[in-house]
Amino acid sequence: EVQLVESGGGLVQPGRSLRLSCAASGFTFDDYAMHWVRQAPGKGLEWVSGISWNSGNIGYADSVKGRFTISRDNAKNSLYLQMNSLRAEDTALYYCAKGGHIVATINFDYWGQGTLVTVSS
Amino acid sequence: QSALTQPPSASGSPGQSVTISCTGTSSDVGNYNYVSWYQQHPGKAPKLMIFEVNKRPSGVPDRFSGSKSGNTASLTVSGLQAEDDADYYCSSYAGSNIVVFGGGTKLTVL
Repeated sequence: EVQLVESGGGLVQPGRSLRLSCAASGFTFDDYAMHWVRQAPGKGLEWVSGISWNSGNIGYADSVKGRFTISRDNAKNSLYLQMNSLRAEDTALYYCAKGGHIVATINFDYWGQGTLVTVSS
Repeated sequence: QSALTQPPSASGSPGQSVTISCTGTSSDVGNYNYVSWYQQHPGKAPKLMIFEVNKRPSGVPDRFSGSKSGNTASLTVSGLQAEDDADYYCSSYAGSNIVVFGGGTKLTVL
């Protein structure tokens, strides 16, 4: 059974940092691209970042470029999102999603339950 | 990176068909056959309904179908059922390892 379990969310002050993790199981992790998608309270889905199976291709939404860094550790079946210089508008439920082999194949067929990030003073 | 454009709402009676549009540009929807659709019920994670414009994952009813013409993709739900009442989001690859989502459409089954 495929499982994606996010962790690391919480309440953080503006300007501070947070690191999200996603633990994957039930599939061959290093065969697939992985993505972070967020959803602000009461709002729609927003793609944040994606990383190919071998970390060779990485993309970011303009809203987070230069502040967020995606990475993965295939030996640990884990995906990460380092979030720096956090802003109030980054407040959202952050989902980890499994993609296809490359970033372009956006068949996000499995999602975690999300981890909530709240940026507030 | 502009969000894809979806109508905020759509509705239909049980048994009817409804089509939800998703309009992008020649840089995303119009240039790639990597268009997906997701269904989201309140408090739940999104569920993949259509990928690569018109392919259905295993387990998704064939009442759900996808298509694309130019810069606009569409999701059609035929034979509406009560459980189809949900939010629907389209997404497209936009090149250079970038993905964009639509703003979402609230589908109401009357």
